[in-house]
Amino acid sequence: KAGVTQTPRYLIKTRGQQVTLSCSPISGHRSVSWYQQTPGQGLQFLFEYFSETQRNKGNFPGRFSGRQFSNSRSEMNVSTLELGDSALYLCASSFLNLGHSGNTIYFGEGSWLTVV
Amino acid sequence: GIQVEQSPPDLILQEGANSTLRCNFSDSVNNLQWFHQNPWGQLINLFYIPSGTKQNGRLSATTVATERYSLLYISSSQTTDSGVYFCAVEVPGGSEKLVFGKGTKLTVNP
Repeated sequence: KAGVTQTPRYLIKTRGQQVTLSCSPISGHRSVSWYQQTPGQGLQFLFEYFSETQRNKGNFPGRFSGRQFSNSRSEMNVSTLELGDSALYLCASSFLNLGHSGNTIYFGEGSWLTVV
Repeated sequence: GIQVEQSPPDLILQEGANSTLRCNFSDSVNNLQWFHQNPWGQLINLFYIPSGTKQNGRLSATTVATERYSLLYISSSQTTDSGVYFCAVEVPGGSEKLVFGKGTKLTVNP
């Protein structure tokens, strides 16, 4: 079956603009998480969604937001872009069993965002 | 919060050599996974291993949860093994939030 699909793969934006990134999870997976990867900070958790509800949020400013649709697809949005938002944004999905711990998590290829 | 430390940060090998990568974590975890990040940025899941030992071809992993560490073994390394290896843990509490180490950058020379 198809893996986690992220679009677009590469994009360049100007400071002050906003950007929307999309993620389609593996079929049947209802949990979607987002991560930001930068050379300085490494991989950092942004947010997690399950059944259209945000379950957890990382330490990022309110400019970073996300949502999940009824088909489990997810989008994240970054408004008023800053140079420091340049990063690889990774989406992950899993078949989450609520009440049970430990699920294999699969990542997409990521969206490379450059802010100029 | 939980801390995840990986060692060594960099490793250079000749093709055919064996290596051991280590991951230490500071608290009890529900889940531990090893990933390989390819040159295009994708994180490839290698092992889901909260405890015990697993093997997949030339790779194997062992997690000793009571002592809060995990090891990834790579035998007979190949140039295609090059890349960054990450250890990530899931903290208890029902969330799927992963906390990543800073990674080990492996370079395998021909």
